[in-house]
Amino acid sequence: GAGVSQSPSNKVTEKGKDVELRCDPISGHTALYWYRQSLGQGLEFLIYFQGNSAPDKSGLPSDRFSAERTGGSVSTLTIQRTQQEDSAVYLCASSLGVAVANEKLFFGSGTQLSVL
Amino acid sequence: GQSLEQPSEVTAVEGAIVQINCTYQTSGFYGLSWYQQHDGGAPTFLSYNALDGLEETGRFSSFLSRSDSYGYLLLQELQMKDSASYFCAVRTSGGSYIPTFGRGTSLIVHP
Repeated sequence: GAGVSQSPSNKVTEKGKDVELRCDPISGHTALYWYRQSLGQGLEFLIYFQGNSAPDKSGLPSDRFSAERTGGSVSTLTIQRTQQEDSAVYLCASSLGVAVANEKLFFGSGTQLSVL
Repeated sequence: GQSLEQPSEVTAVEGAIVQINCTYQTSGFYGLSWYQQHDGGAPTFLSYNALDGLEETGRFSSFLSRSDSYGYLLLQELQMKDSASYFCAVRTSGGSYIPTFGRGTSLIVHP
């Protein structure tokens, strides 16, 4: 596709349920990032994938959060046993992955997660 | 770790010039980026500075002073459509170049 695609755009769930958020990066981009944005807050890094390397999971807030990237393309972020504090916009971004400092990130429009 | 400070909100009138500041504390600094995000939209890349000085891209300019750990985004000839949130982000050495973002500055442009 032309840009980074995320689905669903909105997700309402009940506390304690599991959710899966999907990200389709730009074709050819080897780097993929997940960020979380709470209301009025900045972008909080969650996890980073680069090619076939082991992901950088240093930003995941708890072991209820996990992510995978299949075939170096589509990524799924899973949140188990959701809590109300998980409510936020989950943003995915991709980049060429050539590991240069001026490399720009291309973001999707995010998934708005609401945990009731 | 890294930390970035930006004003939470800036207001200006159409046609004016506005400056959004960003100070950072980090180790192994590589560069400072700026992103724009309209309400409900995706953040989009605006500019990047690795060296001291001013980078100009149309109505937008970005400045960096590495010795002061400080940068700013300058928006000229403000338009209503410039009302958005603006985020500065730093990349640091450490292998993966994962950008760390500030909390963002909400710019409100009045007619």
